[in-house]
Amino acid sequence: EDQVTQSPEALRLQEGESSSLNCSYTVSGLRGLFWYRQDPGKGPEFLFTLYSAGEEKEKERLKATLTKKESFLHITAPKPEDSATYLCAVGVNYGGSQGNLIFGKGTKLSVKP
Amino acid sequence: DAGVTQSPTHLIKTRGQHVTLRCSPISGHKSVSWYQQVLGQGPQFIFQYYEKEERGRGNFPDRFSARQFPNYSSELNVNALLLGDSALYLCASSLTAGHEKLFFGSGTQLSVL
Repeated sequence: EDQVTQSPEALRLQEGESSSLNCSYTVSGLRGLFWYRQDPGKGPEFLFTLYSAGEEKEKERLKATLTKKESFLHITAPKPEDSATYLCAVGVNYGGSQGNLIFGKGTKLSVKP
Repeated sequence: DAGVTQSPTHLIKTRGQHVTLRCSPISGHKSVSWYQQVLGQGPQFIFQYYEKEERGRGNFPDRFSARQFPNYSSELNVNALLLGDSALYLCASSLTAGHEKLFFGSGTQLSVL
């Protein structure tokens, strides 16, 4: 069964304290690993797509990496505005859809000044 | 350019009623997907439509149905509402039906009493 597991469920950091979020997955035929950011009361906002093991992408203080079984979202010197829930999703062919994503439960990040 | 717009933003219904949720994709996007997000969980795939045809269906009962119009807007219909249908319903659009980044709306918060 295709599955996405994110850890930790919640993470509290001090401003400037770097850390990593983990996303482990078991899918039959990965068609992209996606990271989204979701603020309260809003829809998810796209951050990164990774397609093959060893691939890395960066955006400001965020860096996403991918291995054959997991992905990491590294946050360097976070600021309070980075506080949000970070969702990991994998692209699969399920229910006949080529565009279906399976999401993890997310990691709720809080950054204190 | 306008993003994905959803209406209404909030809705309160009672058990057994019917509800229609609406979504307008980003201009030029031909694919619309619907996701259900229960509090504390990641979004769960319901439907994908591309060029007015259903391209995929998630593990949801037949009480859930959707359609896409010639202008690529979409409706999600839920019949015989249950308490467990209370959730944030997210619409996402993309250029094609494949695995690419999705642009999400802010969602419709449905409460079933």
